[in-house]
Amino acid sequence: QLQLQESGPGLVKPSETLSLTCTVSGGSISSSSYYWGWIRQPPGKGLEWIGSIYYSGSTYYNPSLKSRVTISVDTSKNQFSLKLSSVTAADTAVYYCARHQFTYYYDPWGQGTLVTVSS
Amino acid sequence: QSALTQPASVSGSPGQSITISCTGTSSDVGSYNLVSWYQQHPGKAPKLMIYEGSKRPSGVSNRFSGSKSGNTASLTISGLQAEDEADYYCCSYAGSSTLDVVFGGGTKLTVL
Repeated sequence: QLQLQESGPGLVKPSETLSLTCTVSGGSISSSSYYWGWIRQPPGKGLEWIGSIYYSGSTYYNPSLKSRVTISVDTSKNQFSLKLSSVTAADTAVYYCARHQFTYYYDPWGQGTLVTVSS
Repeated sequence: QSALTQPASVSGSPGQSITISCTGTSSDVGSYNLVSWYQQHPGKAPKLMIYEGSKRPSGVSNRFSGSKSGNTASLTISGLQAEDEADYYCCSYAGSSTLDVVFGGGTKLTVL
């Protein structure tokens, strides 16, 4: 059964870079049948797609975040990663990684990790 | 792209049926049958309930069904049960040339 697990610092200072990693187990991230995505949810608010990556390294970003987002993949470790630069308090959220299907749905999801931006 | 519009809350009694709407535009919901629905219990990750408009993943109860009319997609839950109380989010392909998707603002379902 495919499982995803986010990891990374839970506290980031304003103006710094948020870095998270998603480790995939129970399946290969190198499958040609899926993308791999990041979604976030500010406390008490809705979901927002951040971006997705294909195993080949092709990336796709939410236009509203594109200037600050970098997603990368490490097939040798079965991981993909998120970097969000110049963070502010508005970037405080639970960050989820998920498998992004070709027909634009997400399944399964990781358990999520809360990242707080604060000095 | 703009967020899809969902009612903030809906409620129903056990055994009843409820419908949650998700309104987009002719550029997203109206043009593609690529709406998905997610259930989220407090403190938990979202769970896929419906994909490609009306398909149910293995293991999801057949009490959950999806449909679309024009620019509005709908999730119907029949035979409401206490465990259905959760937040529900819709999601649609945003119709651009990339992988852009747009989510709804979420609907809180209360089982009375």
